[in-house]
Amino acid sequence: KAGVTQTPRYLIKTRGQQVTLSCSPISGHRSVSWYQQTPGQGLQFLFEYFSETQRNKGNFPGRFSGRQFSNSRSEMNVSTLELGDSALYLCASSPGAGTEAFFGQGTRLTVV
Amino acid sequence: AQSVTQPDIHITVSEGASLELRCNYSYGATPYLFWYVQSPGQGLQLLLKYFSGDTLVQGIKGFEAEFKRSQSSFNLRKPSVHWSDAAEYFCAVGGGGFKTIFGAGTRLFVKA
Repeated sequence: KAGVTQTPRYLIKTRGQQVTLSCSPISGHRSVSWYQQTPGQGLQFLFEYFSETQRNKGNFPGRFSGRQFSNSRSEMNVSTLELGDSALYLCASSPGAGTEAFFGQGTRLTVV
Repeated sequence: AQSVTQPDIHITVSEGASLELRCNYSYGATPYLFWYVQSPGQGLQLLLKYFSGDTLVQGIKGFEAEFKRSQSSFNLRKPSVHWSDAAEYFCAVGGGGFKTIFGAGTRLFVKA
C-alpha cells in the first residue's frame, strides 16, 4: 500500500499570501488529520476530517481551514500568511478517528 | 480534559545501554495509546500501540511499552540502544472518536 503523500514538500511564501497544502491518505482510510509542528510549540493539532466532515478542530485562527474530498484526499489552506506560520505541516491518515495515525513526510512552509 | 505529559525534554544514553522514556496521560475513557518516532525533517512513524489486552506491547525496532492503568502511564523501553535510535519520540493518546493528542516529545541523544 502506498503511504500518505503530501505535496509540495517545501514551500516559500511571502507574508500576506495564501497557501494550499495537499494530502493523499492511505487507500481505504477515511480520517485525515493535520498538525503544525514548530520548535517552540511542538506538535499542535489543526483539524480532523472524516468522510468529508470536520469532526475535530484545534485552537487555530480562522485563517487556517481545510476540507476533505469524496476520495478522502484533503487540503488545508492558510490565508494572509504570517511569519509565525512557518512550520512543518504534517498530515496523518487513520482507519478511524483516534486510532493509529500514519503520517506523511510533511510540507515545510517558510514565510518570508 | 485529555492530556499527555512527557516529563523529559531530552535524554542522553550510551550506545548499548537500556532506555526508558516516560509518558503519563489523562483521559476520561479507556485510552488508545501510541508511541511514535520522528527523525529530523521527517514525519512520525508508529512504533507501537495499545488498544486492549496484554499490557506489555511489542513494537518495531526492538521497542516495547507497558500500560499501567493505576499510574496512568505508558512508558517506552528498549533493552539496548543503537546509535540509529537517536530521534524524537512522541507519546499519544486517542480513542472513542476523539482526536489523538500528542505529548511534547522527548529527544533522545545516543553517546558512542
